[in-house]
Amino acid sequence: EAQVTQNPRYLITVTGKKLTVTCSQNMNHEYMSWYRQDPGLGLRQIYYSMNVEVTDKGDVPEGYKVSRKEKRNFPLILESPSPNQTSLYFCASSLYRDGSPLHFGNGTRLTVT
Amino acid sequence: AQTVTQSQPEMSVQEAETVTLSCTYDTSESDYYLFWYKQPPSRQMILVIRQEAYKQQNATENRFSVNFQKAAKSFSLKISDSQLGDAAMYFCAYRSTITNTGNQFYFGTGTSLTVIP
Repeated sequence: EAQVTQNPRYLITVTGKKLTVTCSQNMNHEYMSWYRQDPGLGLRQIYYSMNVEVTDKGDVPEGYKVSRKEKRNFPLILESPSPNQTSLYFCASSLYRDGSPLHFGNGTRLTVT
Repeated sequence: AQTVTQSQPEMSVQEAETVTLSCTYDTSESDYYLFWYKQPPSRQMILVIRQEAYKQQNATENRFSVNFQKAAKSFSLKISDSQLGDAAMYFCAYRSTITNTGNQFYFGTGTSLTVIP
């Protein structure tokens, strides 16, 4: 089944404790992206990647890191999480040609205390 | 950067009635793509409908249709014969055709739809 697999679904952590949210897709998509969703703000892009070893900042990159060492994987790293990073996070992937839609993972609800 | 505006934070509709969710966008591109996504309480993001800007014909998917007005930069979603399962947050999205930025997506802030039995 074609899908974007994102883990974990829920994560509670404390300020400053490094964490990684994993994302993997099995559709051979070049484009992958991370979003955070906050009430009243919609989805805001954190980072995106157009292909292996090619990543770029989105609208809200501060406090986040990504890497794209393999085409299928695009992990999101929070080196030192803070409470303002409490949010719902989505990984998504797409072909980056011909108006292909985004395919989303099931989301990760992160709480930083 | 392109902006997408959904001016209705919340909407409600009676079951079996019709509701229209509005979306406007700002762009200088002539070619682009527009989408509506549905997010039910399960929080999964589900593609509802897709529209190519170069097509004048409005996209339709079963009970879901759009009213695409390119000159007005408007892309509204009409849900006919509303069902309880249509209750969700709906996001309008724009996809650029500028390839050096990965054909970026831009999202609106969402409209929360309640369906009243």
